[in-house]
Amino acid sequence: NAGVMQNPRHLVRRRGQEARLRCSPMKGHSHVYWYRQLPEEGLKFMVYLQKENIIDESGMPKERFSAEFPKEGPSILRIQQVVRGDSAAYFCASSPPGLEFNEQFFGPGTRLTVL
Amino acid sequence: AQTVTQSQPEMSVQEAETVTLSCTYDTSESDYYLFWYKQPPSRQMILVIRQEAYKQQNATENRFSVNFQKAAKSFSLKISDSQLGDAAMYFCAYEVRASGSRLTFGEGTQLTVNP
Repeated sequence: NAGVMQNPRHLVRRRGQEARLRCSPMKGHSHVYWYRQLPEEGLKFMVYLQKENIIDESGMPKERFSAEFPKEGPSILRIQQVVRGDSAAYFCASSPPGLEFNEQFFGPGTRLTVL
Repeated sequence: AQTVTQSQPEMSVQEAETVTLSCTYDTSESDYYLFWYKQPPSRQMILVIRQEAYKQQNATENRFSVNFQKAAKSFSLKISDSQLGDAAMYFCAYEVRASGSRLTFGEGTQLTVNP
Protein backbone atom coordinates (compact mmCIF):
# COMPACT_ATOMS: atom_id res chain seq x y z
CA ASN A 1 0.00 0.00 0.00
CA ALA A 2 1.72 3.15 -1.20
CA GLY A 3 1.99 5.97 1.28
CA VAL A 4 0.75 9.50 0.92
CA MET A 5 2.21 11.03 -2.22
CA GLN A 6 2.89 14.68 -2.80
CA ASN A 7 4.14 16.39 -5.92
CA PRO A 8 6.10 18.22 -6.79
CA ARG A 9 8.65 17.73 -4.02
CA HIS A 10 10.20 21.08 -4.79
CA LEU A 11 8.53 24.03 -6.46
CA VAL A 12 10.05 27.38 -7.33
CA ARG A 13 7.84 30.31 -8.22
CA ARG A 14 8.39 33.98 -8.79
CA ARG A 15 6.37 36.53 -6.89
CA GLY A 16 2.91 36.90 -8.38
CA GLN A 17 2.77 33.43 -9.93
CA GLU A 18 0.45 30.63 -8.90
CA ALA A 19 1.52 27.51 -7.04
CA ARG A 20 -0.39 24.22 -7.21
CA LEU A 21 0.50 21.49 -4.76
CA ARG A 22 -0.91 18.00 -5.14
CA CYS A 23 -1.59 15.31 -2.61
CA SER A 24 -2.69 11.74 -3.27
CA PRO A 25 -3.89 10.12 -0.04
CA MET A 26 -3.27 6.52 0.88
CA LYS A 27 -5.60 3.99 -0.69
CA GLY A 28 -8.88 3.87 1.19
CA HIS A 29 -8.30 7.22 2.91
CA SER A 30 -10.96 9.86 2.36
CA HIS A 31 -9.76 12.49 4.84
CA VAL A 32 -7.01 14.90 3.82
CA TYR A 33 -5.26 17.53 5.92
CA TRP A 34 -2.85 20.23 4.84
CA TYR A 35 -0.20 21.70 7.14
CA ARG A 36 2.38 24.41 6.56
CA GLN A 37 5.83 24.52 8.11
CA LEU A 38 7.58 27.86 7.96
CA PRO A 39 11.39 27.82 8.39
CA GLU A 40 12.47 26.98 11.93
CA GLU A 41 8.87 26.42 13.07
CA GLY A 42 6.48 23.57 13.77
CA LEU A 43 3.70 22.48 11.46
CA LYS A 44 0.55 24.58 11.45
CA PHE A 45 -2.84 23.24 10.43
CA MET A 46 -4.36 24.82 7.35
CA VAL A 47 -7.38 22.85 6.14
CA TYR A 48 -9.21 19.55 6.50
CA LEU A 49 -11.12 18.09 3.57
CA GLN A 50 -13.18 15.06 2.74
CA LYS A 51 -14.12 14.08 -0.80
CA GLU A 52 -15.80 17.13 -2.43
CA ASN A 53 -16.14 18.91 0.92
CA ILE A 54 -14.12 21.38 2.94
CA ILE A 55 -14.75 20.46 6.57
CA ASP A 56 -12.47 22.87 8.44
CA GLU A 57 -10.54 25.69 6.81
CA SER A 58 -9.95 27.73 9.95
CA GLY A 59 -6.16 27.64 9.43
CA MET A 60 -6.20 28.91 5.86
CA PRO A 61 -5.18 32.49 5.13
CA LYS A 62 -8.23 34.46 4.08
CA GLU A 63 -6.87 35.46 0.69
CA ARG A 64 -4.97 33.76 -2.14
CA PHE A 65 -5.17 30.25 -0.65
CA SER A 66 -7.70 27.60 -1.62
CA ALA A 67 -7.97 23.84 -1.38
CA GLU A 68 -10.06 21.14 -2.97
CA PHE A 69 -10.43 17.39 -2.86
CA PRO A 70 -12.47 16.33 -5.88
CA LYS A 71 -14.36 13.09 -6.24
CA GLU A 72 -11.65 11.84 -8.57
CA GLY A 73 -7.99 12.75 -8.41
CA PRO A 74 -5.68 14.26 -5.84
CA SER A 75 -6.29 17.03 -3.37
CA ILE A 76 -4.97 20.38 -4.57
CA LEU A 77 -3.67 23.27 -2.49
CA ARG A 78 -3.60 26.38 -4.62
CA ILE A 79 -1.78 29.58 -3.80
CA GLN A 80 -2.44 32.52 -6.06
CA GLN A 81 -0.10 35.49 -6.51
CA VAL A 82 2.58 34.01 -4.29
CA VAL A 83 4.70 36.23 -2.07
CA ARG A 84 8.06 35.55 -0.39
CA GLY A 85 6.31 34.82 2.89
CA ASP A 86 4.64 31.79 1.30
CA SER A 87 8.02 30.04 1.11
CA ALA A 88 7.59 26.99 3.33
CA ALA A 89 7.20 23.24 3.37
CA TYR A 90 3.62 22.13 2.81
CA PHE A 91 2.65 18.75 4.17
CA CYS A 92 -0.37 16.68 3.38
CA ALA A 93 -1.68 13.95 5.66
CA SER A 94 -4.49 11.47 5.16
CA SER A 95 -6.60 9.24 7.35
CA PRO A 96 -9.29 6.63 6.70
CA PRO A 97 -12.99 7.38 7.15
CA GLY A 98 -14.76 6.56 10.38
CA LEU A 99 -16.41 8.00 13.45
CA GLU A 100 -13.51 7.26 15.74
CA PHE A 101 -10.02 8.66 15.81
CA ASN A 102 -7.72 7.54 13.03
CA GLU A 103 -4.02 8.19 12.74
CA GLN A 104 -2.90 10.72 10.18
CA PHE A 105 -0.22 9.55 7.76
CA PHE A 106 2.06 12.21 6.35
CA GLY A 107 3.42 12.69 2.88
CA PRO A 108 7.01 13.80 2.23
CA GLY A 109 6.01 17.43 1.78
CA THR A 110 6.41 20.02 -0.98
CA ARG A 111 9.02 22.70 -0.43
CA LEU A 112 7.87 25.93 -2.03
CA THR A 113 10.43 28.63 -2.71
CA VAL A 114 9.25 32.03 -3.86
CA LEU A 115 11.90 34.16 -5.55
CA ALA B 1 -7.61 26.92 21.97
CA GLN B 2 -5.10 24.15 22.43
CA THR B 3 -1.42 25.01 22.63
CA VAL B 4 1.69 22.86 22.76
CA THR B 5 4.97 24.17 24.17
CA GLN B 6 8.43 22.72 23.78
CA SER B 7 10.81 24.78 25.92
CA GLN B 8 14.04 23.24 24.61
CA PRO B 9 14.92 24.49 21.12
CA GLU B 10 18.06 22.32 21.11
CA MET B 11 19.31 19.31 23.02
CA SER B 12 22.37 17.13 22.68
CA VAL B 13 23.25 13.68 23.95
CA GLN B 14 26.20 11.35 23.77
CA GLU B 15 25.73 8.16 21.80
CA ALA B 16 24.41 5.34 24.03
CA GLU B 17 23.25 7.81 26.69
CA THR B 18 19.70 8.79 27.64
CA VAL B 19 18.00 12.08 26.87
CA THR B 20 14.62 13.52 27.81
CA LEU B 21 12.71 16.02 25.69
CA SER B 22 10.06 18.16 27.39
CA CYS B 23 6.58 19.10 26.26
CA THR B 24 3.67 20.81 27.96
CA TYR B 25 0.23 21.47 26.56
CA ASP B 26 -2.89 23.35 27.40
CA THR B 27 -6.40 22.08 26.73
CA SER B 28 -9.85 22.04 28.23
CA GLU B 29 -10.65 18.71 26.60
CA SER B 30 -10.63 15.50 28.59
CA ASP B 31 -10.22 12.97 25.79
CA TYR B 32 -7.27 13.43 23.49
CA TYR B 33 -4.08 11.96 22.08
CA LEU B 34 -0.50 13.09 22.41
CA PHE B 35 2.25 12.29 19.96
CA TRP B 36 5.94 12.63 19.38
CA TYR B 37 7.01 12.98 15.76
CA LYS B 38 10.54 12.82 14.41
CA GLN B 39 11.58 14.92 11.43
CA PRO B 40 15.01 14.02 10.05
CA PRO B 41 16.78 16.16 7.43
CA SER B 42 14.65 14.49 4.74
CA ARG B 43 11.71 16.37 6.34
CA GLN B 44 9.53 13.27 6.38
CA MET B 45 7.30 13.28 9.47
CA ILE B 46 7.71 9.98 11.32
CA LEU B 47 5.45 9.02 14.20
CA VAL B 48 7.60 7.91 17.14
CA ILE B 49 5.08 7.24 19.86
CA ARG B 50 1.46 7.90 20.79
CA GLN B 51 -0.28 8.24 24.15
CA GLU B 52 -4.02 8.09 24.77
CA ALA B 53 -5.03 10.52 27.52
CA TYR B 54 -7.46 8.04 29.08
CA LYS B 55 -4.66 5.54 29.65
CA GLN B 56 -2.66 5.91 32.84
CA GLN B 57 0.12 3.65 31.67
CA ASN B 58 2.94 5.41 29.87
CA ALA B 59 3.49 4.35 26.26
CA THR B 60 6.74 2.69 25.23
CA GLU B 61 8.17 1.78 21.84
CA ASN B 62 11.51 0.01 22.09
CA ARG B 63 14.04 2.68 23.17
CA PHE B 64 11.40 5.41 23.28
CA SER B 65 9.12 6.00 26.25
CA VAL B 66 7.01 8.83 27.56
CA ASN B 67 6.28 10.30 30.96
CA PHE B 68 2.66 11.43 30.78
CA GLN B 69 1.47 13.60 33.67
CA LYS B 70 -2.14 14.45 32.85
CA ALA B 71 -2.79 16.74 35.81
CA ALA B 72 0.35 18.72 35.07
CA LYS B 73 -0.33 18.58 31.31
CA SER B 74 3.17 17.36 30.71
CA PHE B 75 4.32 14.83 28.13
CA SER B 76 8.05 14.19 27.94
CA LEU B 77 9.91 11.80 25.64
CA LYS B 78 12.78 9.69 26.88
CA ILE B 79 15.21 8.20 24.39
CA SER B 80 17.41 5.47 25.85
CA ASP B 81 20.65 4.18 24.34
CA SER B 82 20.72 7.07 21.90
CA GLN B 83 21.90 6.29 18.39
CA LEU B 84 23.32 8.51 15.68
CA GLY B 85 20.16 7.90 13.66
CA ASP B 86 18.08 9.51 16.40
CA ALA B 87 19.44 12.92 15.45
CA ALA B 88 16.50 14.92 14.14
CA MET B 89 13.94 17.56 14.99
CA TYR B 90 11.34 16.22 17.41
CA PHE B 91 7.84 17.61 17.57
CA CYS B 92 5.30 17.10 20.30
CA ALA B 93 1.69 17.15 19.05
CA TYR B 94 -1.83 17.05 20.42
CA GLU B 95 -5.11 15.91 18.89
CA VAL B 96 -8.62 15.81 20.28
CA ARG B 97 -9.99 12.29 20.19
CA ALA B 98 -12.53 12.69 17.43
CA SER B 99 -12.83 11.90 13.77
CA GLY B 100 -11.22 14.49 11.55
CA SER B 101 -9.49 16.37 14.32
CA ARG B 102 -6.45 18.49 13.54
CA LEU B 103 -2.98 18.04 14.99
CA THR B 104 -1.51 20.91 16.99
CA PHE B 105 2.29 20.90 17.04
CA GLY B 106 4.91 22.41 19.28
CA GLU B 107 7.83 24.38 17.87
CA GLY B 108 10.20 21.44 17.99
CA THR B 109 13.43 20.39 19.69
CA GLN B 110 16.54 19.82 17.57
CA LEU B 111 18.34 16.76 18.93
CA THR B 112 22.03 16.25 18.23
CA VAL B 113 23.66 12.91 18.99
CA ASN B 114 27.42 13.08 19.54
CA PRO B 115 29.56 10.04 18.75
